[in-house]
Amino acid sequence: GQQVMQIPQYQHVQEGEDFTTYCNSSTTLSNIQWYKQRPGGHPVFLIQLVKSGEVKKQKRLTFQFGEAKKNSSLHITATQTTDVGTYFCAGLRGAGNMLTFGGGTRLMVKP
Amino acid sequence: DGGITQSPKYLFRKEGQNVTLSCEQNLNHDAMYWYRQDPGQGLRLIYYSQIVNDFQKGDIAEGYSVSREKKESFPLTVTSAQKNPTAFYLCASSMQGRFYGYTFGSGTRLTVV
Repeated sequence: GQQVMQIPQYQHVQEGEDFTTYCNSSTTLSNIQWYKQRPGGHPVFLIQLVKSGEVKKQKRLTFQFGEAKKNSSLHITATQTTDVGTYFCAGLRGAGNMLTFGGGTRLMVKP
Repeated sequence: DGGITQSPKYLFRKEGQNVTLSCEQNLNHDAMYWYRQDPGQGLRLIYYSQIVNDFQKGDIAEGYSVSREKKESFPLTVTSAQKNPTAFYLCASSMQGRFYGYTFGSGTRLTVV
């Protein structure tokens, strides 16, 4: 079945440094979604990418969808302590709206 | 405000007991989902439902059961057959169709004692 992998599993950064997490799928994805889960919280939808090569920005966050639609990345510029949490990518599976989630990247920011 | 409500927030269960986790949404979403999250892990799909009175098994359905008698409600029962039920359970909903993000509830943390 479809597998979605994320690297790295953990990342410690100093506040102000940049951060990138990568997502790779074993199959071509029709779309990719990104979620953020704060410590002790629940996942919150951030964004969805649909087109090959698509790039979207949300303030300091930049999301990319690969040309082959099998990989994606999330880049945070100049991290802040509010960026702390686990970032998940998720790809659609099958004919419905079911998502397969990656294992997540846990971001820790040192002030 | 529209959203998904999960209850209880924390639940303790003795081995051999069945427990039911509640999930209610007022977003008028057709599709609802149950995921399990273990510490430091991703989310694994237990069950999903795209319409009332219909639901499908996900990747780890063994030891779990669900019902979908109302559009707003999708309760999950963790049965005694579930070998390792201690986990964080997340309910989610979405509009029908392939390009809508999920709205998650705040989760139920189940501990078997």
